[in-house]
Amino acid sequence: QMHLQESGPGLVKPSETLSLTCTVSVGSISSSSYFWAWIRQPPEKGLEWIGSVYHSGSTYYNPSLRSRVTISVDTSKNQFSLKLRSVTAADTAVYYCASADDYWFDPWGQGTLVTVSS
Amino acid sequence: EVVLTQSPGTLSLSPGERATVSCRASQSISSSYLAWYQQRPGQAPRLLIYGASSRATGIPDRFSGSGSGTDFTLTISRLEPEDFAVYYCQQYGSSPTWTFGQGTKVEIK
Repeated sequence: QMHLQESGPGLVKPSETLSLTCTVSVGSISSSSYFWAWIRQPPEKGLEWIGSVYHSGSTYYNPSLRSRVTISVDTSKNQFSLKLRSVTAADTAVYYCASADDYWFDPWGQGTLVTVSS
Repeated sequence: EVVLTQSPGTLSLSPGERATVSCRASQSISSSYLAWYQQRPGQAPRLLIYGASSRATGIPDRFSGSGSGTDFTLTISRLEPEDFAVYYCQQYGSSPTWTFGQGTKVEIK
């Protein structure tokens, strides 16, 4: 069964770049017809889709974040990554990675809390 | 952009009662593109329902989904203690994009 695990710094300074990686176990990230996604959840708030990358490398972003986000795939490591530039306190959230082989997300990673603070 | 509005924001019920959560889309969407998730405190969301009415693997049959067009419903027939959680609807849109509702908290009365 597929398993996803987020990793990366838990603390990022304002104006810097948030970088997270999701490692996928079971199967090849490039051979499956999946979308690989990042979703975040600010403390005590709801879920926000950040963006997705298709197995082919095509990317799709939330319009509200598009100018600051890059999602990429590293097939050699079976990983995909998130970079969010120019962060502020409003970017403090639990960040989840997830996969979608159709129109819904399943499974999800356990999530990682990223705090933006100096 | 399709906006999903869930109601109510909070549902206060007792174990054994029936829970009904509504998700309304700002424009008509395909039922194939509508999913529901459960999120327990401190946990990642879990897929419950996909395609508006199909239960995900391992989901008990007390959970059911229905609806079409702009109005969708998640029903929990008899609440178990582990069902008290937050529920989100989600739709897949063209481009592609994904959008979540704001969530409904089902709490113990």
